[in-house]
Amino acid sequence: RKEVEQDPGPFNVPEGATVAFNCTYSNSASQSFFWYRQDCRKEPKLLMSVYSSGNEDGRFTAQLNRASQYISLLIRDSKLSDSATYLCVVPEGTSGYSTLTFGKGTMLLVSP
Amino acid sequence: DGGITQSPKYLFRKEGQNVTLSCEQNLNHDAMYWYRQDPGQGLRLIYYSQIVNDFQKGDIAEGYSVSREKKESFPLTVTSAQKNPTAFYLCASSVQGGNQPQHFGDGTRLSIL
Repeated sequence: RKEVEQDPGPFNVPEGATVAFNCTYSNSASQSFFWYRQDCRKEPKLLMSVYSSGNEDGRFTAQLNRASQYISLLIRDSKLSDSATYLCVVPEGTSGYSTLTFGKGTMLLVSP
Repeated sequence: DGGITQSPKYLFRKEGQNVTLSCEQNLNHDAMYWYRQDPGQGLRLIYYSQIVNDFQKGDIAEGYSVSREKKESFPLTVTSAQKNPTAFYLCASSVQGGNQPQHFGDGTRLSIL
């Protein structure tokens, strides 16, 4: 199985800070990528999809560097409610029958 | 209100007992998946099904079994052969077409009595 590597953290930041996470992947054939958010003892929820060089949604920006095989997630103006574990997710294949490989996640703790 | 429903939320298993976790979706998704998550660990794929009456083993299928008789339903049985079943079990579904995100149910926590 292809690998997806993330820094486990935790990243401790104050409210209002900007924080960035990186994720490296080994499957060079992957065409799309996802960031999920998982709260403690809850299910993962889709945060962003990345199909080209990047995607932006409000305070969240995801960027893709295919040459170096890494994806980043940038969170601006951090809120207390952003505290969670962020999972980097990469498809295994490129056909209609691909599965997803999940990174172990990066924990973010936002403090007042 | 479309979504994925897992039941029960908490489940206790006695030694030597088989237990079945339910997963139902009304999103009209073709593909369904079962994952296991241990504390501080990532999600590991147990089984997946891309179409009714067909399923494939994931990375950690030993000690588990599944069925896919209906598009909406993908139950997981944790058999007595699974020696370390205590974990958080997550069911997910997605549309076909490759490179699609998966949507999760809220999980079942299984513990050994």
